[in-house]
Amino acid sequence: DAGVIQSPRHEVTEMGQEVTLRCKPISGHNSLFWYRQTMMRGLELLIYFNNNVPIDDSGMPEDRFSAKMPNASFSTLKIQPSEPRDSAVYFCASSSPLAVIDQETQYFGPGTRLLVL
Amino acid sequence: ELKVEQNPLFLSMQEGKNYTIYCNYSTTSDRLYWYRQDPGKSLESLFVLLSNGAVKQEGRLMASLDTKARLSTLHITAAVHDLSATYFCAVDMGSNDMRFGAGTRLTVKP
Repeated sequence: DAGVIQSPRHEVTEMGQEVTLRCKPISGHNSLFWYRQTMMRGLELLIYFNNNVPIDDSGMPEDRFSAKMPNASFSTLKIQPSEPRDSAVYFCASSSPLAVIDQETQYFGPGTRLLVL
Repeated sequence: ELKVEQNPLFLSMQEGKNYTIYCNYSTTSDRLYWYRQDPGKSLESLFVLLSNGAVKQEGRLMASLDTKARLSTLHITAAVHDLSATYFCAVDMGSNDMRFGAGTRLTVKP
């Protein structure tokens, strides 16, 4: 398996522009997570989906952020309009219940480095 | 509000030495994870600890969990330079929803 795939890997945009980050989870995984990582705030959970349904979006900073998971193999995180304080690395992770539960964990994608000027 | 506290946040150690990283958390949980992150890279799973008294070892790293004390430790034995990275603990909130600590940045010097 190719692992969790994220695109783009790097994004530079100007304040006010719309940004869309994409994620393809590992095939067969039924949970998907979006995180944001900054030096100041560390690793924050933004939202997670279970079986394509958003379960907890309490970490989404504000209405400028939205996330969708239209099917089991694709999710987007959109920021509109973007602001400089949104600059961060955004990670997508996926997981699935396993028969051997002590191997259940989240598998992280490579991340998208976002810079908003 | 759940708190996951790691200490130390920064650790510089000599090769060959031993040290322990601590992870305290404020809510009941029976599952805890340790991850490693190299600079500019993603997070890599190291250990999944499922129950009180769980201990797992991989190479020079050993992780343990005390759910009664709400404490996990990551012990480093005879450190080598390749272990330099940031180590995160994460507490399971249910359904694989994890909350991460701030991370411990480890530097191993020759």
